[in-house]
Amino acid sequence: QKEVEQNSGPLSVPEGAIASLNCTYSDRGSQSFFWYRQYSGKSPELIMSIYSNGDKEDGRFTAQLNKASQYVSLLIRDSQPSDSATYLCAVSRTGGYQKVTFGTGTKLQVIP
Amino acid sequence: GAGVSQTPSNKVTEKGKYVELRCDPISGHTALYWYRQSLGQGPEFLIYFQGTGAADDSGLPNDRFFAVRPEGSVSTLKIQRTERGDSAVYLCASRYENEQFFGPGTRLTVL
Repeated sequence: QKEVEQNSGPLSVPEGAIASLNCTYSDRGSQSFFWYRQYSGKSPELIMSIYSNGDKEDGRFTAQLNKASQYVSLLIRDSQPSDSATYLCAVSRTGGYQKVTFGTGTKLQVIP
Repeated sequence: GAGVSQTPSNKVTEKGKYVELRCDPISGHTALYWYRQSLGQGPEFLIYFQGTGAADDSGLPNDRFFAVRPEGSVSTLKIQRTERGDSAVYLCASRYENEQFFGPGTRLTVL
């Protein structure tokens, strides 16, 4: 079992729709959860972090965390063609242990 | 301010050669990470420095890989006796609080 699992996609959504990206993780000690966006040929950039169960909203992005189910998701509202990228889920423990483990990423395509 | 920089941006070498990849983190960031990313994969953790010391090197694939950060700033990833399977993009990131800032990466090609 991979430590962080994501559907590789591609996930295709029409412009203006909601894109839903999902991630599961195996380490129950994980406390910090991140979503990175990576454009083709570029480096990852952090778009959301979440640490507590529930929802966290930032503009068009909402991260959702359910530690009991070991599940984290990212919703992108009003998807734009510029959102087309690979979205990487990453997790880490805290308390001084800061190894970060990434999933393989989900490729999102927003169709104009 | 300047972001994380990595040099060279591209490195082509022959199987069996030695290579060094350099990372210059954001000033003041004490934590530094090295990752390796192959096509279609997420970044694979290699090693993490807190200051000058390697806090976790569990991701280094074998003893051909070594990394240093002698003054707690610039880090060098060293690969001996390179193999074709080492070809990948090597990413460096420095961390402030709980956010990692990635450099542009070094694309290593081993022929």
